[in-house]
Amino acid sequence: LAKTTQPISMDSYEGQEVNITCSHNNIATNDYITWYQQFPSQGPRFIIQGYKTKVTNEVASLFIPADRKSSTLSLPRVSLSDTAVYYCLVVLHGSSNTGKLIFGQGTTLQVKP
Amino acid sequence: ETGVTQTPRHLVMGMTNKKSLKCEQHLGHNAMYWYKQSAKKPLELMFVYNFKEQTENNSVPSRFSPECPNSSHLFLHLHTLQPEDSALYLCASSQGDSTNEKLFFGSGTQLSVL
Repeated sequence: LAKTTQPISMDSYEGQEVNITCSHNNIATNDYITWYQQFPSQGPRFIIQGYKTKVTNEVASLFIPADRKSSTLSLPRVSLSDTAVYYCLVVLHGSSNTGKLIFGQGTTLQVKP
Repeated sequence: ETGVTQTPRHLVMGMTNKKSLKCEQHLGHNAMYWYKQSAKKPLELMFVYNFKEQTENNSVPSRFSPECPNSSHLFLHLHTLQPEDSALYLCASSQGDSTNEKLFFGSGTQLSVL
């Protein structure tokens, strides 16, 4: 079963680049890697998704090595408003072969002035 | 605005009350989800519906009863809840059962059980 492991928390300063790495050693061949951002008392918001190599959008970049057993979310030049919890997600395949979208503990990013 | 609307935003109820949470999505999606998030804990998947059929019940107590009358609406009926059920209840939707599903969440209902 696919399971993700991320650092519990990270601190950064405004203007810095932040890289959050997620481990998913048991990722299945067809699984995509998806990252979400969550602010307090709100639902998570989709940030970026990828299958392999590198994906970039207006918010972040996602780096996935060839073995796909980890991925790194890169946030360029963070600001105070990027303080949030960041979740890495892969589909959890169980015995019924029904995919479950299971969230791990996430990484709490604190951006300081 | 994510296209997923949850009501009410806040709910306070006693342990003997019966209440319902409502979720509506305007994205044309086929799958809908209920997640529970207790304070400072990860989201817990509760139920999944795909094309109005329940495809996942993650060992949720029977005091939580979901209902999905169509692909756009999802309800969570609550009765005889316990104080430990106080949490943020999040509804989400996605296109359907595939490995690159993108979840769209509502703003949640903050539930307090007294």
